[in-house]
Amino acid sequence: EAQVTQNPRYLITVTGKKLTVTCSQNMNHEYMSWYRQDPGLGLRQIYYSMNVEVTDKGDVPEGYKVSRKEKRNFPLILESPSPNQTSLYFCASSPIEGSYGYTFGSGTRLTVV
Amino acid sequence: GEDVEQSLFLSVREGDSSVINCTYTDSSSTYLYWYKQEPGAGLQLLTYIFSNMDMKQDQRLTVLLNKKDKHLSLRIADTQTGDSAIYFCAERLSGGSYIPTFGRGTSLIVHP
Repeated sequence: EAQVTQNPRYLITVTGKKLTVTCSQNMNHEYMSWYRQDPGLGLRQIYYSMNVEVTDKGDVPEGYKVSRKEKRNFPLILESPSPNQTSLYFCASSPIEGSYGYTFGSGTRLTVV
Repeated sequence: GEDVEQSLFLSVREGDSSVINCTYTDSSSTYLYWYKQEPGAGLQLLTYIFSNMDMKQDQRLTVLLNKKDKHLSLRIADTQTGDSAIYFCAERLSGGSYIPTFGRGTSLIVHP
């Protein structure tokens, strides 16, 4: 089944403890992206990647890192999480060309205390 | 720059039609999308329309595009309680950069 898989689904952590949220897609998509969703603010893009070893900042990149060493994986790294990073995170992927929209993962609910 | 605007809430009675509206500012949009997010889930692509089309119909869903006014709408016929969700409008611009812009989402509430 074609899908984007995020792990974990839920995570509670403490301020300053490094964490990684994994994202993997099995559709050979070039484009991958991370979003955070907060009430009243909709989806805000954190980072995106157009292909392997090509990443770029979105609208709200501060406090996050990403890497794209392989086409299928696009992990989101929080080196020193803070409470304002408590949010619902989504990974998404798409082919570069054509009418295809995004395929989204199921989301990761992160709470930083 | 680009901006996509949606109203935040829409409440309808079961069986009625719902119309969710979206406006965008960038006239170089190539594709316009509607996504549905059910509670506790990720976004799911519902439908899309190419910018050279005016209308697209898919079962209970009708998408209307008014390029002159930069207005996109999603009509859901015979709205059911299972249609209760957040609906996001998104645009993709032409020019090779695939970075879609999303609206903030419209919460559709369907009541009996």
